[in-house]
Amino acid sequence: AIQMTQSPSSLSASVGDRVTITCRASQDIRNDLGWYQQRPGKAPKLLIYGISTLHDGVPSRFSGSGSGTDFTLTISSLQPEDFATYYCLQDYSYPWTFGQGTKVEVK
Amino acid sequence: EVQLVESGGGLVQPGGSLRLSCAASGFPFNNHEMNWVRQAPGKGLEWVSYISKSDSARHYADSVKGRFTISRDNAKNSLFLQMNYLRAEDTAVYYCARGSFFGPTKYFDYWGQGTLVAVSS
Repeated sequence: AIQMTQSPSSLSASVGDRVTITCRASQDIRNDLGWYQQRPGKAPKLLIYGISTLHDGVPSRFSGSGSGTDFTLTISSLQPEDFATYYCLQDYSYPWTFGQGTKVEVK
Repeated sequence: EVQLVESGGGLVQPGGSLRLSCAASGFPFNNHEMNWVRQAPGKGLEWVSYISKSDSARHYADSVKGRFTISRDNAKNSLFLQMNYLRAEDTAVYYCARGSFFGPTKYFDYWGQGTLVAVSS
């Protein structure tokens, strides 16, 4: 199975900060990489698919980049509603695998 | 409005069985692949299983292969997960998630609210 290594596992930031989360795949997954946000007690929500395509309604402060094995989720200016846990997911091959998550907390 | 509503969770003893359901509405169910994703208490997300639109293909995580069976009833807009030989480590909130795609890229664009499965004696 493809391993997805996400870093950091948690970070502390303030409103307005630029935040970067990385995800590394154990092998080339082409562009089959998405990012999901999960707020406490809620179901996950799709943010980005295909490395960099924003899902409908997702604010433009979110962006994704990368290729092959290394991928990045960036929040350009953190907003109060962005304090949550973020997961990457590879859908290149079964079994599909999530990263272990990055919790973005208030500094 | 797209809605996915899971049901069937509960407390079950190790070795027991449980059948989860996911009722879909607000979209053409037979046009979408479907998935189950779970989350153990305080842990991250784990993809569990996939089923194609016409049930021509099914896939499973290694952790559940041979014990869980995914199925669907397109006439009733419903997704199912039959879970047998349950273990304590299967304790989790189980989400159904709609699959969509853009070109070759797949993603889960809608999720249910989840149903809790607790395996304990």
